[in-house]
Amino acid sequence: EVQLVESGGGLVQPGGSLRLSCAASGFTVSDYYVDWVRQTSGKGLEWVGRSRSKAKSYSTEYAASVKGRFTFSRDDSKNSLDLQMNSLKIEDTAVYYCARYRGPLGSFDIWGQGTMVTVSS
Amino acid sequence: DIVMTQTPLSSPVTLGQPASISCRSSQSLVHSDGNTYLSWLQQRPGQPPRLLIYKISNRFSGVPDRFSGSGAGTDFTLQISRVETEDVGVYYCMQATQFPHTFGQGTKLEIK
Repeated sequence: EVQLVESGGGLVQPGGSLRLSCAASGFTVSDYYVDWVRQTSGKGLEWVGRSRSKAKSYSTEYAASVKGRFTFSRDDSKNSLDLQMNSLKIEDTAVYYCARYRGPLGSFDIWGQGTMVTVSS
Repeated sequence: DIVMTQTPLSSPVTLGQPASISCRSSQSLVHSDGNTYLSWLQQRPGQPPRLLIYKISNRFSGVPDRFSGSGAGTDFTLQISRVETEDVGVYYCMQATQFPHTFGQGTKLEIK
């Protein structure tokens, strides 16, 4: 089955760090673009950023709200990618989804189930 | 950033009746490659979003044909011809023409 599974969410204090993982199965994730999207009850869905495919040198894009604090990385041996979140703020509290982006569709054809990140003291 | 505005934010519908959701973007979604990257997502309660429609009017694999999309430029519409119980959830429009990709606020579809 083609799927994405996120892990690593939890409770962290403001200013702290957390690392999320997105594991792919049923396909080789290095061949695809993968985005992170977060969802809060107050602000709805917010695009976090993109990690392009290996063919595109894993180049990245980040939303302004996370640029300089969040970093994407890939682990081809695990068929997965990570989201390293540093200097976390209360407003980063959200459910974080990884989603496979398909250029020909201009949208996300596969979504993970999401992992909850709570930033609170 | 492109702002996506959906109306209505809530839509009570009778089973078997049609439903329509509008989405307006703050600027044209026509990409330099000629495509318009406007898609519609459905989020059922407790589930992640799911792709319904891509590039304005193309139904994604497995999506029932009661769902259709239309529009151009800055104005887009999602229509459900006959609402079924399984259609309950929140619907989002999304643009991928420009970074950052942005979403509408969501429209909650519920059964009367």
